[in-house]
Amino acid sequence: SQQGEEDPQALSIQEGENATMNCSYKTSINNLQWYRQNSGRGLVHLILIRSNEREKHSGRLRVTLDTSKKSSSLLITASRAADTASYFCATVRTGANNLFFGTGTRLTVIP
Amino acid sequence: GAVVSQHPSWVICKSGTSVKIECRSLDFQATTMFWYRQFPKQSLMLMATSNEGSKATYEQGVEKDKFLINHASLTLSTLTVTSAHPEDSSFYICSASETGGRTGELFFGEGSRLTVL
Repeated sequence: SQQGEEDPQALSIQEGENATMNCSYKTSINNLQWYRQNSGRGLVHLILIRSNEREKHSGRLRVTLDTSKKSSSLLITASRAADTASYFCATVRTGANNLFFGTGTRLTVIP
Repeated sequence: GAVVSQHPSWVICKSGTSVKIECRSLDFQATTMFWYRQFPKQSLMLMATSNEGSKATYEQGVEKDKFLINHASLTLSTLTVTSAHPEDSSFYICSASETGGRTGELFFGEGSRLTVL
């Protein structure tokens, strides 16, 4: 990828379980964002965490950021079948305003 | 939230022809727009940054003459794939940054799927 890696590449869980996805990046960043993409569709912005923040919540989503390790995690709690999608982290580098995407995690939530 | 519209959503063309994809910000002005390319089951690769009234900035490895970008107004950027070949078949997604908006906050179009026969 242009910026970083995500793991796992694919994740399959039962409905109701929690899903955790990890993202590592390479350069100094201004902020990190998580996006969701349903198959063949555009991207939906989920959450943005700034470089001076360590944790952020939005509904069933929890994002952490560790700038010393250049890594972030996305936790989806109490997963639903409708959460099935690809999830991408993306970073805005310091001094820039464009996004570079990670490799993505394909999440499948089994009803 | 802000809306970005892409057109067409899908297009099939013959090899050798040129295809234009439009990206419009519907309810905000966008000084900067970005074009991404996505192959099946892969991530988005930034192709170029489109700046209103000036030349686009292309990422390394992206052919400027192949992928022509025009950003003639604050609400419209176009990507023209010239002399398209089957290897240009891909999903093209644009995003827009609101002028004066928060750094890094981008809004994405629904994408345009190009199939070159």
